[in-house]
Amino acid sequence: DQQVKQNSPSLSVQEGRISILNCDYTNSMFDYFLWYKKYPAEGPTFLISISSIKDKNEDGRFTVFLNKSAKHLSLHIVPSQPGDSAVYFCAASSEFSGNTPLVFGKGTRLSVIA
Amino acid sequence: SQTIHQWPATLVQPVGSPLSLECTVEGTSNPNLYWYRQAAGRGLQLLFYSVGIGQISSEVPQNLSASRPQDRQFILSSKKLLLSDSGFYLCAWSPGTGDMGYTFGSGTRLTVV
Repeated sequence: DQQVKQNSPSLSVQEGRISILNCDYTNSMFDYFLWYKKYPAEGPTFLISISSIKDKNEDGRFTVFLNKSAKHLSLHIVPSQPGDSAVYFCAASSEFSGNTPLVFGKGTRLSVIA
Repeated sequence: SQTIHQWPATLVQPVGSPLSLECTVEGTSNPNLYWYRQAAGRGLQLLFYSVGIGQISSEVPQNLSASRPQDRQFILSSKKLLLSDSGFYLCAWSPGTGDMGYTFGSGTRLTVV
């Protein structure tokens, strides 16, 4: 059973426009969510996170929105740049202590076209 | 500062051969350690994690095993590789003390032929 779902395997966006990556989860115990960015042949790098007590967290061009009632979160990138082209993974945890492993989605490949 | 080292970067192994991938973390103590695999179309699949020396939790039953002989060393092994073991293997660590931030290694591309 896939607890974290990224239903769009790929997304193409023009440079300068907004990129919106979506993520749904099924486990209501999840209370901390993260986004990771991965380039080919490299390990993922942390991008942004949000705890369940918030509904929005912003860091520069990146904003994550959380809708707990819908069990849905999204990552907005504005404006999109060619260097943002990568695979983005959504991840979730039910224990902020850090001893419960993160559950990752399958990823969405973002292509930003110049 | 903390760093994570994972090697080798690429590996081509015949079916039935053994496997040993090593991961070490520097600059921290008692980290949580993880092995993930990224196979085509399957995202990041957790294989093993460890919250301390000798403590290994397995998430996926298969012909792989993991060991943590030292505090900052995590080893992924197999006695006999299968074609289905091909993939991109990633080691990661986290502080495990109220911090969910994972730091990943650079990965190992394993091709079983």
